[in-house]
Amino acid sequence: AQRVTQPEKLLSVFKGAPVELKCNYSYSGSPELFWYVQYSRQRLQLLLRHISRESIKGFTADLNKGETSFHLKKPFAQEEDSAMYYCALNTGTASKLTFGTGTRLQVTL
Amino acid sequence: DAGVTQSPTHLIKTRGQHVTLRCSPISGHKSVSWYQQVLGQGPQFIFQYYEKEERGRGNFPDRFSARQFPNYSSELNVNALLLGDSALYLCASSSTSDLYNEQFFGPGTRLTVL
Repeated sequence: AQRVTQPEKLLSVFKGAPVELKCNYSYSGSPELFWYVQYSRQRLQLLLRHISRESIKGFTADLNKGETSFHLKKPFAQEEDSAMYYCALNTGTASKLTFGTGTRLQVTL
Repeated sequence: DAGVTQSPTHLIKTRGQHVTLRCSPISGHKSVSWYQQVLGQGPQFIFQYYEKEERGRGNFPDRFSARQFPNYSSELNVNALLLGDSALYLCASSSTSDLYNEQFFGPGTRLTVL
């Protein structure tokens, strides 16, 4: 069965410091991976997906099939990046996401 | 468009009761998925419906059921409520049923079972 692991419940960094939110997945086939974000008092929303290979709000994520990882990175953290981040995996033909437990990113001055 | 809407916002029930949660997708979206989010965990997939047909089902007991109406709105029903059913129930809509498509989430319904 597929599984997503986010090892850190909380990641606290200073403004301007680099950020790396870890995500490892368990799936033997070709996965489709996403990062979703939830800002305070807002809805869960898509941040980026690996197939798009894009940078959103300065964040990037690279799929590493050898290490089965999809870590989220940003070179310089901003206060507005503080939020809950979820890594999610889709392995079927339907919109059926398997989420990790989430990492709370706290950016302090 | 107000985005995905869900009702009610909060709900308190007692063990053994039945509950119905409602979801209206974004206009033009034909796919609706339901997720359960227990405190401290990520959302867990329950069902996906597309064009009124069930397209996917998560690892939930038969007490959980859902349906989608001709206007693409959806209901999630839970029978014989247990304390462990207390959670935030999220609805998400997307324009197609495929896995690459972005899902748009609603604000959720907070269910408390006493």
